Amino acid sequence: DTAVSQTPKYLVTQMGNDKSIKCEQNLGHDTMYWYKQDSKKFLKIMFSYNNKELIINETVPNRFSPKSPDKAHLNLHINSLELGDSAVYFCASRLQGANTEAFFGQGTRLTVV
Amino acid sequence: GENVEQHPSTLSVQEGDSAVIKCTYSDSASNYFPWYKQELGKRPQLIIDIRSNVGEKKDQRIAVTLNKTAKHFSLHITETQPEDSAVYFCAATGSNDYKLSFGAGTTVTVRA
Repeated sequence: DTAVSQTPKYLVTQMGNDKSIKCEQNLGHDTMYWYKQDSKKFLKIMFSYNNKELIINETVPNRFSPKSPDKAHLNLHINSLELGDSAVYFCASRLQGANTEAFFGQGTRLTVV
Repeated sequence: GENVEQHPSTLSVQEGDSAVIKCTYSDSASNYFPWYKQELGKRPQLIIDIRSNVGEKKDQRIAVTLNKTAKHFSLHITETQPEDSAVYFCAATGSNDYKLSFGAGTTVTVRA
């Protein structure tokens, strides 16, 4: 029973391509996140959704477009991939307002060549 | 928005010694402070958390302290073991609890 699952785990693609990463949680949480972890290990928040509504957009280029079809899913589509997009992308979920932990997916290692 | 600063960035300790990591936050309305451990190639996982109505919490060899007046909180690991080697992140929620911001991480190495 995987709590937060994201696919794919690895993604290697050429510059200029468009790719998507999918995330699903079965914890009944109402808030989902995308974080980017670069080579320096910093976990930078990109987006936060609550009940399918975009709550936080942390000055992310508009080549990144999140979509939440329902509160259990948050996908990330990236257009015109650049070398600097290479990183590990983590999806996470938690229950807003409950002062509880965020659960992370296993991460997607994106390599742009 | 919330800004979380974490020190040190790297920490090397002898097995059996203690390790201390310190964080400060900027939003005085923050009320939830988790600590995550990330092993190489794995996802971050919660090891301990503290809420703003508590000053200290302990779970076996790990403890966290919170000083709301000074806006800082610390992680203490006692009797360190090689399996404690990992990257540790502190985090804090923003005033509306939607945002969970992380510190820059501390790479802890426990020398056998």
